[in-house]
Amino acid sequence: GESVGLHLPTLSVQEGDNSIINCAYSNSASDYFIWYKQESGKGPQFIIDIRSNMDKRQGQRVTVLLNKTVKHLSLQIAATQPGDSAVYFCAEEEKTSYDKVIFGPGTSLSVIP
Amino acid sequence: DVKVTQSSRYLVKRTGEKVFLECVQDMDHENMFWYRQDPGLGLRLIYFSYDVKMKEKGDIPEGYSVSREKKERFSLILESASTNQTSMYLCASISVGRSYEQYFGPGTRLTVT
Repeated sequence: GESVGLHLPTLSVQEGDNSIINCAYSNSASDYFIWYKQESGKGPQFIIDIRSNMDKRQGQRVTVLLNKTVKHLSLQIAATQPGDSAVYFCAEEEKTSYDKVIFGPGTSLSVIP
Repeated sequence: DVKVTQSSRYLVKRTGEKVFLECVQDMDHENMFWYRQDPGLGLRLIYFSYDVKMKEKGDIPEGYSVSREKKERFSLILESASTNQTSMYLCASISVGRSYEQYFGPGTRLTVT
């Protein structure tokens, strides 16, 4: 079966540094790859997506990189702030009889002031 | 601003009780989902619904059922709660065509004793 994961379960970074959260996937047929952020006490929130025909996409302070050769996805956060402390999930869209999203186990990011 | 609400943030039930978890969205979304979230396992899909009175099993439907009588409301039912159903339950909704951008409620932390 498919899996999304292979990550460091926790990551600590100094405020102001850049953060890199990594994820591996196994389903080459996925059309979209997605990152979600879950703050304490809240549900996950969509951050950014990247289509499988792209290798890089930038948002506000975030960049997602997709390496299809090694089936690797990463989320880069520039100038990490305390408000970035959260659990980050990578996910992929799997085309079945319905549009299914498979979530990875998540990486907990802690920002040290 | 989009909004998904869940009826309870915290719930404590006894083994064997019937449990109802309610979810309401105000975005007129067609598709709604129920996930459970456990440490190290990410989000696992229990059931989803793509229309009123329509439902489909997800990856872990055993021990659960759902009801969707109105478009905005999707209920998760634990027919006879067991301790292994102690978990965080998350409801989400999406509009057609962007299945990977899911809007989540704040979650219900259910403890079964």
